[in-house]
Amino acid sequence: RKEVEQDPGPFNVPEGATVAFNCTYSNSASQSFFWYRQDCRKEPKLLMSVYSSGNEDGRFTAQLNRASQYISLLIRDSKLSDSATYLCVVNNERSSNTGKLIFGQGTTLQVKP
Amino acid sequence: SQTIHQWPATLVQPVGSPLSLECTVEGTSNPNLYWYRQAAGRGLQLLFYSDGIGQISSEVPQNLSASRPQDRQFILSSKKLLLSDSGFYLCAWSAGTAGGYTFGSGTRLTVV
Repeated sequence: RKEVEQDPGPFNVPEGATVAFNCTYSNSASQSFFWYRQDCRKEPKLLMSVYSSGNEDGRFTAQLNRASQYISLLIRDSKLSDSATYLCVVNNERSSNTGKLIFGQGTTLQVKP
Repeated sequence: SQTIHQWPATLVQPVGSPLSLECTVEGTSNPNLYWYRQAAGRGLQLLFYSDGIGQISSEVPQNLSASRPQDRQFILSSKKLLLSDSGFYLCAWSAGTAGGYTFGSGTRLTVV
């Protein structure tokens, strides 16, 4: 079983749509969670951290369910510029002193006009 | 502010040739440094990490090696490249806590 699993997509949505991505992780002791965005042929960039209480940044909302070991990202009012691959990322407790992150394979989003 | 530099951006190398990719970080001290590889259409694979000068941990066996000769310099090397070494190589740094990474702009390596 992969440590971090995501549906690779692609998710094809029209502009203005709401889209949700899900991610599951296997290590119940995982401590930190993130969503990264990666544009085609570019480096990943931190989109947002995911907190237990859930957090929102503009049109983006991230939620964490520790009991189900599940992380989600909701994008409202999708823009063409949101087209990218979204990476679910976990920091496992056993490696937290080194800050090693485990990356999912990513979910591709295509927003169409 | 902290910045991370990685070069070259693109590299085409013949099989059996050596490799040296360099990564430097500015604006921070004693960062944790990482080398990742992303093969075409695949996820990020951690290759090496370092939490100090001369301290290198390897995550996967392969014909690559890494070195950290200075606090903010991380080098990825190979003596003889294989076709399977092709990919997008990314250097990253973190403060060593439970935070996220900042990635360099990456090197796209094609072994021919």
